[in-house]
Amino acid sequence: QSVLTQPPSVSGAPGQRVTIPCTGSSSNIGAGYDVHWYQQIPGTAPKLLIYDNNNRPSGVPDRFSGSKSGASASLAINGLRAEDEADYYCQSFDGTLSGTRYIFGTGTKVTVL
Amino acid sequence: QVHLVESGGGVVQPGRSLRLSCAASGFIFRNYGMHWVRQAPGKGLEWLTVIWADGSITYYADSVKGRFTVSRDNSKNTMFLQLDSLRAEDTAVYFCARFKLGNSFDFWGQGTMVTVS
Repeated sequence: QSVLTQPPSVSGAPGQRVTIPCTGSSSNIGAGYDVHWYQQIPGTAPKLLIYDNNNRPSGVPDRFSGSKSGASASLAINGLRAEDEADYYCQSFDGTLSGTRYIFGTGTKVTVL
Repeated sequence: QVHLVESGGGVVQPGRSLRLSCAASGFIFRNYGMHWVRQAPGKGLEWLTVIWADGSITYYADSVKGRFTVSRDNSKNTMFLQLDSLRAEDTAVYFCARFKLGNSFDFWGQGTMVTVS
């Protein structure tokens, strides 16, 4: 039921920069709702990585950054490290689906080559 | 620090019920809304329900509306999810998460596995 689209996978060598796009629509990201990002290492709980489009919780390295434009958002990882290998999900709010609806992206697996 | 611990998962037959719990500590539970999110094996995250801090308002995803019921006991710092009429497609890890102002989920529990078979 995801209405936020992400590529299934991205990869990069250590030290490189990778970006993960998150495409929404006029009823969610395009309507002005904020975008948040989560990192999930397989077998563990998701962890909030970026909130309100471009803010990092305490303890998240500044290698991670977020941006939003129109109906899309993007997560960037600079200086890719082995420990960044994980699944990443964007999340927002959709104001037109029945009931209140908090929506997640389809998820992107980041592989460090 | 913030700590969320889910419990109550297990193996259950289709059509039966289960009640999950989420025990909270490290913050003033009664001041925060709370969510349930699930993740089927090998799949992405699916939001299920939210309950307001005082329990007065709840919302559900269409996939579970009418079958799942969220509640909370602020005196015991615990949130619950009653799962009724379970189906095979409800098989997943169920996470509870704290509602952060701005519609994000700032802390998550480790999850509890529900298998419907």
